[in-house]
Amino acid sequence: DIQMTQSPSSLSASVGDSVTITCRASQSISRYLNWYQQKPGKAPNLLIYGASSLQSGVPSRFSGSGSGTDFTLTISSLQPEDFATYYCQQSDSVPLTFGPGTKVDIK
Amino acid sequence: QVQLQESGPGLVNPSQTLSLTCTVSGGSISSNTYYWSWIRQPAGKGLEWIGRIYTSGRTNYSPSLNSRVTISVDTSKNQFSLKLTSVTAADTAVYYCARAQTPGKPFDSWGQGTLVTVSS
Repeated sequence: DIQMTQSPSSLSASVGDSVTITCRASQSISRYLNWYQQKPGKAPNLLIYGASSLQSGVPSRFSGSGSGTDFTLTISSLQPEDFATYYCQQSDSVPLTFGPGTKVDIK
Repeated sequence: QVQLQESGPGLVNPSQTLSLTCTVSGGSISSNTYYWSWIRQPAGKGLEWIGRIYTSGRTNYSPSLNSRVTISVDTSKNQFSLKLTSVTAADTAVYYCARAQTPGKPFDSWGQGTLVTVSS
């Protein structure tokens, strides 16, 4: 199985801040890396796929980068609606696996 | 815009079988370009992929659940289903169904999730 790790596990930030979350795969997954946002009581919502492609309808302040084993999600100018938990997920091979999540809350 | 909706019992007795159905609307489940997954999330914890099915009937399961899981599809009803046998309290979670466009692609549509509690 491909293990996914994320750092940090949580962070506090203010509206307007730039935030970066890191995801690491236990082996190379090329660019088969996706990012989701989840708010309490809701299903995850796709933000970024293929490491850096922005899903339709997702604000451009979200961006992704990386390949191989190391990836990042950046939120520039954090907005109130961005406070949520973020998960990375590898779609390179089964079993499909998710990172443990990064909770972004208000400072 | 495709929509997915989970349904099934919210309470299951220990050692029994958990059965859930995902109904797909706004699109055909028979499309060969998609596969259909089940994912679960215990309260306060992360996401765990359970398995997936193609409309051909081909399946992939998580090794950790493989011996207890069956995913099936009913194209006539535009539904796919999950059965998880011999459940314990550790199977208590919100269960989501989700769609991905071919292997390698992300989950681009999700159901709202349904809470299943395993308890007597």
